[in-house]
Amino acid sequence: DAGVTQSPTHLIKTRGQHVTLRCSPISGHKSVSWYQQVLGQGPQFIFQYYEKEERGRGNFPDRFSARQFPNYSSELNVNALLLGDSALYLCASSTGQLTDTQYFGPGTRLTVL
Amino acid sequence: GQQLNQSPQSMFIQEGEDVSMNCTSSSIFNTWLWYKQDPGEGPVLLIALYKAGELTSNGRLTAQFGITRKDSFLNISASIPSDVGIYFCAGPPGTYKYIFGTGTRLKVLA
Repeated sequence: DAGVTQSPTHLIKTRGQHVTLRCSPISGHKSVSWYQQVLGQGPQFIFQYYEKEERGRGNFPDRFSARQFPNYSSELNVNALLLGDSALYLCASSTGQLTDTQYFGPGTRLTVL
Repeated sequence: GQQLNQSPQSMFIQEGEDVSMNCTSSSIFNTWLWYKQDPGEGPVLLIALYKAGELTSNGRLTAQFGITRKDSFLNISASIPSDVGIYFCAGPPGTYKYIFGTGTRLKVLA
């Protein structure tokens, strides 16, 4: 079975631009979570979506948005990029149950110049 | 906000040695998870713990869910070079998100 897939693997943008990151969950999983991991730190929660609805949001500005599609894949959008948005963006999928384990994709490395 | 503190922050060990690391929380967790992350990759789940006092093994790895539910421990026996990486503890603090620890960076000297 395929694991969580993310695209692109790497991305370079300049300040003020917009970026869209994509994630496909494990087959059968209905929930997708997004995390930001700045170099040297643990992942920080951004959003969780379940059945196309936002179920949780972390402490991130409104420049960050996401959505989930009927096939349970998801997009993370970041507007008006700042240098501090440079990070590894991780997607995790789970069945959606409260205590279910989350499985992570390889991440998208975003560099903002 | 809630934090998970891991110790040690980093460690160098000789191949074949045993490794111990721990994670503490400021609040009670009902689930503890241990992940390993290689450079440029996403975290990979090693062990999941769901019950206070639980001791679970995965090959050379053994993890324990602390009795107080505010801590967890990971042991690696007979370390090998591919054990190099960053080990994170994580848990859901009653909601849908995970909180991750600060990480323990392990380097194994052959």
